[in-house]
Amino acid sequence: IAGITQAPTSQILAAGRRMTLRCTQDMRHNAMYWYRQDLGLGLRLIHYSNTAGTTGKGEVPDGYSVSRANTDDFPLTLASAVPSQTSVYFCASSPQGGGPYEQYFGPGTRLTVT
Amino acid sequence: QKEVEQDPGPLSVPEGAIVSLNCTYSNSAFQYFMWYRQYSRKGPELLMYTYSSGNKEDGRFTAQVDKSSKYISLFIRDSQPSDSATYLCAMSAVPGNTPLVFGKGTRLSVIA
Repeated sequence: IAGITQAPTSQILAAGRRMTLRCTQDMRHNAMYWYRQDLGLGLRLIHYSNTAGTTGKGEVPDGYSVSRANTDDFPLTLASAVPSQTSVYFCASSPQGGGPYEQYFGPGTRLTVT
Repeated sequence: QKEVEQDPGPLSVPEGAIVSLNCTYSNSAFQYFMWYRQYSRKGPELLMYTYSSGNKEDGRFTAQVDKSSKYISLFIRDSQPSDSATYLCAMSAVPGNTPLVFGKGTRLSVIA
């Protein structure tokens, strides 16, 4: 099935623990993105990658890291989780970065940091 | 001032009403304008896409762009309960590898 998969669907994590959210797309899109969505704050860009091997910082990158070793995968790592990172995380991809290209979103990961 | 402003609502209307959703923006370089729809506990999906100024119609949905006023709108005619969702505007400048800039989204409820 074409599209974006995210794992896990939801997770409860103790503060201070390390966590990697997984994102895989099978559309051969060059650009991928990670957002967090919080009530009243909308979608906020964490990190993005316009092509394999490159990454960029978004609006709220602190406390998060990403890597883009290949076209299909774009994992997001929380090195030491804090309660303020409780959120819904969406991964997205687009054929190219910026311009007229639609972003396709995954189903999201609900993360609770206690 | 954020680059894109969108009233978060919530907006509640009766079935059959005409709905108007709006965003304003400050960056005059924006050329591509999109509307995404997000159902509860789902990821956003593209609903409408327009380039530069003008109108675009798709069934019950019409997207308008007024670049002189830096204002975009989404109209929903004959609204249905299935239209209940959060609507997010998004926009970007000419190709330059800059990610889309999203509004915060407006939550819409259409009451049967």
